Amino acid sequence: QVQLLQSGAELKKPGASVKVSCKASGNTFSDYYMHWLRQAPGQGLEWMGWIYPKSGGTNYAQRFQGKVTMTRDTSISTVYMELSRLTSDDTAIYYCARDLYPWKLLHWFDPWGQGTLVTVSS
Amino acid sequence: ETVLTQSPATLSLSPGERATLSCRASQSLSSYLAWYQQKPGQAPRLLIYDASNRATGIPARFSGSGSGTDFTLTISSLEPEDFAVYYCQQRSHWITFGQGTRLEIK
Repeated sequence: QVQLLQSGAELKKPGASVKVSCKASGNTFSDYYMHWLRQAPGQGLEWMGWIYPKSGGTNYAQRFQGKVTMTRDTSISTVYMELSRLTSDDTAIYYCARDLYPWKLLHWFDPWGQGTLVTVSS
Repeated sequence: ETVLTQSPATLSLSPGERATLSCRASQSLSSYLAWYQQKPGQAPRLLIYDASNRATGIPARFSGSGSGTDFTLTISSLEPEDFAVYYCQQRSHWITFGQGTRLEIK
């Protein structure tokens, strides 16, 4: 059973950047599309984009284009999500999630990481 | 953007009762809809995908139905661990989630 382990909580000032990591257990890391989503306090869920570790290809939701960068390091089975020019509106729990089946882009998210709280405050 | 409207916002039921949660889309999704369960302090968990397929390890008391614009998640007999927030999600027109239905103990 694959597990996704995310990095710890972050406190950032407005205008700064944050980079969150997500490490996958198991040996099929590169074959699955990996997604990033976020959930603002007390709010619903928002999809940010995906990265395909095998190729490094990415696709970002329109509202995050120019603000988010997703990368990977296949040698350590880890994907990263970097968010720039932070504002208070970016305060949220950020989740990584794997797509349901290998080699397919289905946008069904299972499993999820435990989440990383990013707080933006001066 | 495809809007998903979940109803009711809150559902109060007792263990053993049947729960019926609704998700309505602003345009047709075919069968491209999923359901997730989220408990406090936890990440969401996939329950149902493609409207009616149970994810691995999900108990048979959870079932999904519907197509087009109207979808339903049914929990046939509520267990204490089922009280949580449930979200629907579509992948037909980009990716969007509903605002959630809170299932609480009556």
